[in-house]
Amino acid sequence: AQSVTQLGSHVSVSEGALVLLRCNYSSSVPPYLFWYVQYPNQGLQLLLKYTTGATLVKGINGFEAEFKKSETSFHLTKPSAHMSDAAEYFCAVYSSNTGKLIFGQGTTLQVKP
Amino acid sequence: ETGVTQSPTHLIKTRGQQVTLRCSSQSGHNTVSWYQQALGQGPQFIFQYYREEENGRGNFPPRFSGLQFPNYSSELNVNALELDDSALYLCASSLTTGGQETQYFGPGTRLLVL
Repeated sequence: AQSVTQLGSHVSVSEGALVLLRCNYSSSVPPYLFWYVQYPNQGLQLLLKYTTGATLVKGINGFEAEFKKSETSFHLTKPSAHMSDAAEYFCAVYSSNTGKLIFGQGTTLQVKP
Repeated sequence: ETGVTQSPTHLIKTRGQQVTLRCSSQSGHNTVSWYQQALGQGPQFIFQYYREEENGRGNFPPRFSGLQFPNYSSELNVNALELDDSALYLCASSLTTGGQETQYFGPGTRLLVL
C-alpha cells in the first residue's frame, strides 16, 4: 500500500527566509510524487511533480523538490519566502494500480512580514 | 488556470436530500477523478471514470455515484445526505495514456449539509 506523511501541520517562516516542507512516502513500486498548493477557498494547483529521471524537480513560483529514494522523502523547498506563498501545501503519491492520488494531511505555510 | 470548471461553487442541503455536483474537464482529457476534502484534511479519493466507465473507487458507500459524458463533463451524485458529507468536493481531469497521469483540479464545490 502507498501512503504519504507530511511532517508538521503548520510551518511559519519570515518573509525572505528559506521554506522547507517535509514529505515522506511509502511505496512498494517506484513512486510518482506531486506537490499541490491550495489557496484559501480554492482548488488544488500543481506545483511540481516527479516521475522519473532527474531527482531535483523545479516547479512554479520558485519551488523545487528533491526525490531521495534512500530516505523515501520528497521535501519541498524555496530559497526565499514571499507573503503570497502563504497557503496549504499537499504532497501526494500517484497509485498506478488505481489511478488515484493519495494525499498527505497537508501543511499550512504562514509567512510573517 | 487548469481548464477544469465545477458548479455550483457553494451548496447548502439538508440531511436526507440528494445532490448533484458537476464538473467540466479539460478538453481532450478522458479521465475524471472525484475527491472529498473535509475541513483541515487532505483530499480523499471517491472514484474515477475513464471513457464513461467507473475505473476505480475509494472507500465511499454506494450512495456516492457518478457519471461521465462524451463531452468530457461529469457528475457526482450523493443520495441520502449525511452531516459528515459536508466538505469541499474536487474533480480532477487527466489524460490516461498508460503509466503516470497528471491530474488537474477544478476549484471545487463546497457542500454544507444541515
